Amino acid sequence: DAKTTQPNSMESNEEEPVHLPCNHSTISGTDYIHWYRQLPSQGPEYVIHGLTSNVNNRMASLAIAEDRKSSTLILHRATLRDAAVYYCIEGNTGKLIFGQGTTLQVKP
Amino acid sequence: SQTIHQWPATLVQPVGSPLSLECTVEGTSNPNLYWYRQAAGRGLQLLFYSVGIGQISSEVPQNLSASRPQDRQFILSSKKLLLSDSGFYLCAWSPPHSGANVLTFGAGSRLTVL
Repeated sequence: DAKTTQPNSMESNEEEPVHLPCNHSTISGTDYIHWYRQLPSQGPEYVIHGLTSNVNNRMASLAIAEDRKSSTLILHRATLRDAAVYYCIEGNTGKLIFGQGTTLQVKP
Repeated sequence: SQTIHQWPATLVQPVGSPLSLECTVEGTSNPNLYWYRQAAGRGLQLLFYSVGIGQISSEVPQNLSASRPQDRQFILSSKKLLLSDSGFYLCAWSPPHSGANVLTFGAGSRLTVL
C-alpha cells in the first residue's frame, strides 16, 4: 500500500500558484520524496524530488517540512497544460509505490 | 541520453490468450526495471521490479510473470489472459545504485481483454 496521503482533487485558476500537499508521516530517514505527474493517456513523468532541503527546478518547487512528515509541491504559475494527476511518493532503492494521487484541474 | 521503448502500444486480446509485452532501455547499464499496471480510472499498481538479470521481485500474486533475459530488456507475460488483466501497462527504469531512484516511464501499452 502507498505510504503517502494526498487530497483526491484540487482546482486552480490559470496563472495562479498551486500548492499540492502530501503527508508521509512514516517516512524513514533515508527515503526521498518524489513527485510525478500523469497527463491523460500518458505515462507518469518526473517532476521533482528531495530529501531534506527545499528544491527548485524549471517545473516546480518542493517544500519539505522540517520533520519531513509532509511536503508541498508548488507550481508557481499554473497553466492549462499542468492539469494532470500528481503523485507524491516516498522511497529510495527498489520499489516505489504510487498512491491515488491528486487530480489537479486548472480553470482558464 | 537514455531512452525507454515499450511495445506494442495497443493490443486487443481474447480471454485465455497469451500475452507478451516488451520493454527495452538504451543508453545505460544495469538499470532497475519496473512493470506497473493502471486499470481504468485507477492509480498505478506495481507488478514487478528487477535490479539485475534474473532478479525479479513480484509485488502482486496474479497470472502474470516477468523476465529479464538481458540487462536492458524486461518482458511481461501471461499464459492465459483474464478480463481483469485489461489496463494500461507501464514500464519504467531508474539508475542503478541511485539513492533517489528517479523513475523514467515508457509510453505505455494499452491492453484490452475481451
